[in-house]
Amino acid sequence: DSGVTQTPKHLITATGQRVTLRCSPRSGDLSVYWYQQSLDQGLQFLIQYYNGEERAKGNILERFSAQQFPDLHSELNLSSLELGDSALYFCASSVGGNAYEQYFGPGTRLTVT
Amino acid sequence: AQTVTQSQPEMSVQEAETVTLSCTYDTSESDYYLFWYKQPPSRQMILVIRQEAYKQQNATENRFSVNFQKAAKSFSLKISDSQLGDAAMYFCAYRAYSGGSEKLVFGKGTKLTVNP
Repeated sequence: DSGVTQTPKHLITATGQRVTLRCSPRSGDLSVYWYQQSLDQGLQFLIQYYNGEERAKGNILERFSAQQFPDLHSELNLSSLELGDSALYFCASSVGGNAYEQYFGPGTRLTVT
Repeated sequence: AQTVTQSQPEMSVQEAETVTLSCTYDTSESDYYLFWYKQPPSRQMILVIRQEAYKQQNATENRFSVNFQKAAKSFSLKISDSQLGDAAMYFCAYRAYSGGSEKLVFGKGTKLTVNP
């Protein structure tokens, strides 16, 4: 158990819908990272927040957005969902602002039908 | 653009034997980190080992060690005395911090099977 929690574990929704994925970092960690793992694209870095501020952006679509709240938990919002958005979404956290030692959560499996 | 290539989609090894997983990367940065992550069937991503580019000494964690060749941009993972629990997907990853932002790139992964 990494100490990073993600909810829900599984999510099934229809195309065009909007969902919110939630992540709670390990106690004391200030950074949260979001990743998408799909069969065709592999594991891709989406976005990083550090202490409430956006720190780095990867291959995140405009239909996706994220935020980190004062209690340091983070939410990833996915809207206008498409079939290709079906993937495993990971959250990871680290103490500092870099990914030198990041711990991954168990992931949220999103299925878009 | 930074890329990470794992040329072996699948590998297999006999229990107690040694196996080496390959990884090459492309970057123009001089300061970066490299990682190997393990993803067992449970899907949990687990950090196996990491290497700072400025360190010449190869990192070692128990049965896991790396062969870091900076000039060749190669970062292979050696697993000694393979155990059934080592069966998993292994991902090589690169991290650099430049221009005020962090870049994280993962390879496509190598599926390791351990035969009893």
